[in-house]
Amino acid sequence: QLQLQESGPGLVKPSETLSLTCTVSGDSITSRSSYWGWIRQPPGKGLEWIGSFIYSGSTYYNPSLQSRVRISVDTSKNQFSLSLSSVTAADTAVYYCARQYNWNYFDLWGQGTMVTVSS
Amino acid sequence: EIVMTQSPATLSLSPGEIATLSCRASQSVSSNLAWYQQKPGQAPRLLIYRASTRATGIPARFSGSGSETEFTLTISSLQSEDFAVYYCHQYNNWPRGTFGQGTKVEMK
Repeated sequence: QLQLQESGPGLVKPSETLSLTCTVSGDSITSRSSYWGWIRQPPGKGLEWIGSFIYSGSTYYNPSLQSRVRISVDTSKNQFSLSLSSVTAADTAVYYCARQYNWNYFDLWGQGTMVTVSS
Repeated sequence: EIVMTQSPATLSLSPGEIATLSCRASQSVSSNLAWYQQKPGQAPRLLIYRASTRATGIPARFSGSGSETEFTLTISSLQSEDFAVYYCHQYNNWPRGTFGQGTKVEMK
């Protein structure tokens, strides 16, 4: 059974880098048919796509975040990570990792992790 | 960027009633639209993809319709577990999809 679990610091200082990890079980992130992504949700607000990748191919980012975001992969641990630099209070949100079907909809989500940007 | 607009923002209904949620795209997204349900403190759950196909395990009371710029999610007879927030999501210009702002279905 596929499961995704986010982990990382719950508090990040302004101007620093937010780093989160998604651990995948039940599927390999290197699979040629598996796409993966990050989505976030500020408190009381809607969903925002951050970025997606397929291990054997491309990585895409939301243009509004592209200059600050990076997704990386650790195949030995079956994990992928999100790095968001120069954070501000506007980056305070619940961050979700998810499996994406063929660059399309997100069919399985992690439970999410809350990250607060504050000094 | 394709903007998705959902209406109404809040729908107040009683169990057993029919819920009709709307989602409008700022330009055509063909049938590349999904619906998600989110309950407080939980991750979104995929309900519908390709505008009208129910995801695995989703009850038949959930149905989706529409194409191009106008889409509807219908819940035929609201159950207590259906009171939640619903989001539409276009993925036509993949992978840079965009979400609507959500419709909250609350108990009257």
